[in-house]
Amino acid sequence: DAKTTQPPSMDCAEGRAANLPCNHSTISGNEYVYWYRQIHSQGPQYIIHGLKNNETNEMASLIITEDRKSSTLILPHATLRDTAVYYCIVRGGSGNTPLVFGKGTRLSVIA
Amino acid sequence: DVKVTQSSRYLVKRTGEKVFLECVQDMDHENMFWYRQDPGLGLRLIYFSYDVKMKEKGDIPEGYSVSREKKERFSLILESASTNQTSMYLCASSFLGQGPHQPQHFGDGTRLSIL
Repeated sequence: DAKTTQPPSMDCAEGRAANLPCNHSTISGNEYVYWYRQIHSQGPQYIIHGLKNNETNEMASLIITEDRKSSTLILPHATLRDTAVYYCIVRGGSGNTPLVFGKGTRLSVIA
Repeated sequence: DVKVTQSSRYLVKRTGEKVFLECVQDMDHENMFWYRQDPGLGLRLIYFSYDVKMKEKGDIPEGYSVSREKKERFSLILESASTNQTSMYLCASSFLGQGPHQPQHFGDGTRLSIL
C-alpha cells in the first residue's frame, strides 16, 4: 500500500502557483519523497525528490517539513500543460526498489 | 535527457497469442522495470531487472515472463495472452546507485488490447 495521502483533486488558475500537499506521517529516516506526474495517455514523468532539505529544479520546488511528515510540491507559475495527475511517493531501500504509486492528485489548471 | 522507448504505443492481439513488448533505454541504466496500469488500481509492478540476465518478480508476475539479454533492452512476454491482460504497460529504468535516491524514468506506455 502507498504510504502517502493526497487530496484527490485540485484546481489552479493559470499563471498562479500550484501547491500540492502530501502527508507521509509514517516516513522513516532513510526514505526519500518523490514526485511524479502523469499527463493523459503518457507515462509518468519524474519531477523532483528530496530527503529532508528543500529542493528546487527547473520544474518545481519541494518543501519538506522539519519533522518530514508532510511535504508540498510547488509549481511556481502553472500553465495549462501542467494539468495532470501528481503522485507523491515515499521510497527507501536500494536503487532497485520499485516505486509504489497511490491514487495521486488530479490537478486541473484553468485558464 | 533520458530516453525510454517502448516499441508500440497501441497493440491489439488475440487470446492465446504470445505477445512481446519491447523497451529500450539509452542511459546505460542497470535497473529496468515493467508495470501495468489499470483504472482504479494504479501502477502495479510485474517484473524488474537489475542486471543483464537477472530478473525479480514484482507484485503480479503471473502470466508474464521477461528477458534481459542486453543492458539496454528489457522485454515483457505474455506467454498466452488473456483478456484480463488488456492494460496499459509501462517500462521504466534507473541507475542502481547507492541508496534509494535514483529516480526512475518511464516510457510513454503501450496500450495493449487482447480480443
